[in-house]
Amino acid sequence: GENVEQHPSTLSVQEGDSAVIKCTYSDSASNYFPWYKQELGKGPQLIIDIRSNVGEKKDQRIAVTLNKTAKHFSLHITETQPEDSAVYFCAATYGYALNFGKGTSLLVTP
Amino acid sequence: DVKVTQSSRYLVKRTGEKVFLECVQDMDHENMFWYRQDPGLGLRLIYFSYDVKMKEKGDIPEGYSVSREKKERFSLILESASTNQTSMYLCASSLIGAGTNTGELFFGEGSRLTVL
Repeated sequence: GENVEQHPSTLSVQEGDSAVIKCTYSDSASNYFPWYKQELGKGPQLIIDIRSNVGEKKDQRIAVTLNKTAKHFSLHITETQPEDSAVYFCAATYGYALNFGKGTSLLVTP
Repeated sequence: DVKVTQSSRYLVKRTGEKVFLECVQDMDHENMFWYRQDPGLGLRLIYFSYDVKMKEKGDIPEGYSVSREKKERFSLILESASTNQTSMYLCASSLIGAGTNTGELFFGEGSRLTVL
């Protein structure tokens, strides 16, 4: 499938700080961009998504922005808490399926 | 709640064995997927199915096959397991069955396969 690049691969922040994870995609036909959180020993779970006709979406402490012209989208987590520690994956549609980034391991230290 | 159940959480197999990984979803979803997760490589799509008896290759189908005889069940088959197939395998399903928008994927908890 088409590439989805995700940065950084690891991110360490102090509790209360903000965390930002960035992704770029290459398929101009992509129109749906979800973010998944994977906790240890579990499958990934959707935390927020954005569709191509929207530039920004917010849900409490998390927000996602999309720049279709530049083909990049970002996840923003504010007021981070230790329970936000997990691996986060961005994804973009490719036909029927999703192409995922390689993941960002986020560590929130008290 | 949607539930995607993978029958085995941990398997240990020998090189050359035939391996079946089973996945069942209980929400009448049309799409089902098998991904492979490896450290530093993220999730890579092996196969997906958008209808019963339909299957499409993903990015890394070599060495794998799939079966979808019933809507709720999607099986991943390793005809002759090799050590480079040691990995975490994740099954997922989604409701939307047509068009380019897959909608939310619901994942199972994964099957960790070790091939010796």
